[in-house]
Amino acid sequence: AQTVTQSQPEMSVQEAETVTLSCTYDTSESDYYLFWYKQPPSRQMILVIRQEAYKQQNATENRFSVNFQKAAKSFSLKISDSQLGDAAMYFCAYQGDDKIIFGKGTRLHILP
Amino acid sequence: DAGVTQSPTHLIKTRGQQVTLRCSPKSGHDTVSWYQQALGQGPQFIFQYYEEEERQRGNFPDRFSGHQFPNYSSELNVNALLLGDSALYLCASSFGVALGTDTQYFGPGTRLTVL
Repeated sequence: AQTVTQSQPEMSVQEAETVTLSCTYDTSESDYYLFWYKQPPSRQMILVIRQEAYKQQNATENRFSVNFQKAAKSFSLKISDSQLGDAAMYFCAYQGDDKIIFGKGTRLHILP
Repeated sequence: DAGVTQSPTHLIKTRGQQVTLRCSPKSGHDTVSWYQQALGQGPQFIFQYYEEEERQRGNFPDRFSGHQFPNYSSELNVNALLLGDSALYLCASSFGVALGTDTQYFGPGTRLTVL
């Protein structure tokens, strides 16, 4: 069965600094999608970034980028120039043929 | 352009009761997925509706059922409520049935408390 593991329950970063959130997953499928979602206190889940497993190039969205290591089954999120608005729960998610699985999340604190 | 909307925002029920949650997808979307998010956990996939049929289902008992209407809106029904059903229920919409091929947009959720 597929699993998604986020090993950092909480992290803190100084405003304007860079932080990396870790995610590992386990699957026997070869074709799948990986996501990072942000959930602020307002509860609404917002897509941060998406990666197709067949693409070797790492996805980038403005200050957000991923380090996708397919062989290692690792999918980390890097946030550059952290801003106060980045404070939230971040969830890594795996989406295969017939299911989507979320990790337990990492709470990110931004220190002013 | 309205995003995904859910109603009600909060709901309190007692054990054994039945509950119906509602979701309207983002304009242009035809697929609705439902998730249960327990406190301190990531969302868990319940099921997905497309063309008024359940297409995919997670590991949830038959007490959880749903419906999709011709206008693509959807309902989640939970029968014989248990204390463990207390959670945030999230609805997400997308275009097309294949999971992952289109970005899901989430609603703000319905907080269900079972006493």
